[in-house]
Amino acid sequence: DAGVIQSPRHEVTEMGQEVTLRCKPISGHNSLFWYRQTMMRGLELLIYFNNNVPIDDSGMPEDRFSAKMPNASFSTLKIQPSEPRDSAVYFCASSRGAGNQPQHFGDGTRLSIL
Amino acid sequence: AQTVTQSQPEMSVQEAETVTLSCTYDTSESDYYLFWYKQPPSRQMILVIRQEAYKQQNATENRFSVNFQKAAKSFSLKISDSQLGDAAMYFCAYRSVVLGAQKLVFGQGTRLTINP
Repeated sequence: DAGVIQSPRHEVTEMGQEVTLRCKPISGHNSLFWYRQTMMRGLELLIYFNNNVPIDDSGMPEDRFSAKMPNASFSTLKIQPSEPRDSAVYFCASSRGAGNQPQHFGDGTRLSIL
Repeated sequence: AQTVTQSQPEMSVQEAETVTLSCTYDTSESDYYLFWYKQPPSRQMILVIRQEAYKQQNATENRFSVNFQKAAKSFSLKISDSQLGDAAMYFCAYRSVVLGAQKLVFGQGTRLTINP
């Protein structure tokens, strides 16, 4: 079975540019999570969706960040305009339902804003 | 809000030896889930083991086992017969059972080095 698929794997862009990160969850999983990993703050949740509906977006740092899940098989995380402090590894994860079902992570997108 | 603390930023062990990674957490909930994830240099996040708080029996997965002490809010990971491939960052994580609060809350991680 295919795992969580993220693209791109690496992104380098200049500050001020729009960045779009993409995620395809595992088929049949109805919860999708976006996490950010930095040296300073570790791994932290940005937003999560359940059945394509945003449930908790309290981790989204500011209005420059937005996330969508138009259908069960696709989600995007957009940063506009990007800033150097957004440089991080962004992970997408999915899980089946609630409870003890583990979250399966994609390989992450390493984002560098110059 | 729940917090997870890993007090050992780095650990090292000789190949074939046993090592224990510590994790403590803070919560007011009585039911929840705990996980250990491994992140090798390839940066993948790989689930190692999970524990349901309502289960008294400690979870085991081959060479990996946990010591879950609910009253002490402690969840340590024991790796037996350490192998070179075990070298990675290890993250302890907490997950609520409350609907709408099922994000993972991670500790800061422990970097494990295996010495040949």
